[in-house]
Amino acid sequence: GQNIDQPTEMTATEGAIVQINCTYQTSGFNGLFWYQQHAGEAPTFLSYNVLDGLEEKGRFSSFLSRSKGYSYLLLKELQMKDSASYLCAVNEGDYKLSFGAGTTVTVRA
Amino acid sequence: IAGITQAPTSQILAAGRRMTLRCTQDMRHNAMYWYRQDLGLGLRLIHYSNTAGTTGKGEVPDGYSVSRANTDDFPLTLASAVPSQTSVYFCASSEGGGGANVLTFGAGSRLTVL
Repeated sequence: GQNIDQPTEMTATEGAIVQINCTYQTSGFNGLFWYQQHAGEAPTFLSYNVLDGLEEKGRFSSFLSRSKGYSYLLLKELQMKDSASYLCAVNEGDYKLSFGAGTTVTVRA
Repeated sequence: IAGITQAPTSQILAAGRRMTLRCTQDMRHNAMYWYRQDLGLGLRLIHYSNTAGTTGKGEVPDGYSVSRANTDDFPLTLASAVPSQTSVYFCASSEGGGGANVLTFGAGSRLTVL
């Protein structure tokens, strides 16, 4: 089985920084993904971590600690278009990617 | 434009009816997946296929069946729809099933079973 937890909602101001935490307990681990999903649209890939540490991609960074079963997604210099749901997902192996329920981020002017 | 096409976009269905959601990809990806997305529960894997001719069960397979006759198509069938199958269904694909394989999702099919 799998258990992937992330906060339901977060609100932040334009230009600020927001950190979305994700903790997981899964039967296997073959990497952790973050996806972005705007309302009414399909999820799109943001980042992938398989080794401990920080991966940076422009305004977005993702961190992984395998020993703690913990990841976070850091969104810097928030823009209105960053208002979306952010999905944490663990590759458990055997073609099984398990998702958390998602964190809805609202960016306010 | 390369990607995944799902049909229908939206459908209202009477309970007990049979329904097939269609999914076609043109990226020659080996693996394909069907997820359902429900409020508060996130995306849950229904069935997957790692290559043409093979399929596997995900987390919530009951009441659904799939087939993979070729690389491009991966239809999902509800043999006798029930209201609990009201959901948004996403088809996805990836080059393989290994750790770094990124899923590409279709736009989704919103199904309402009355």
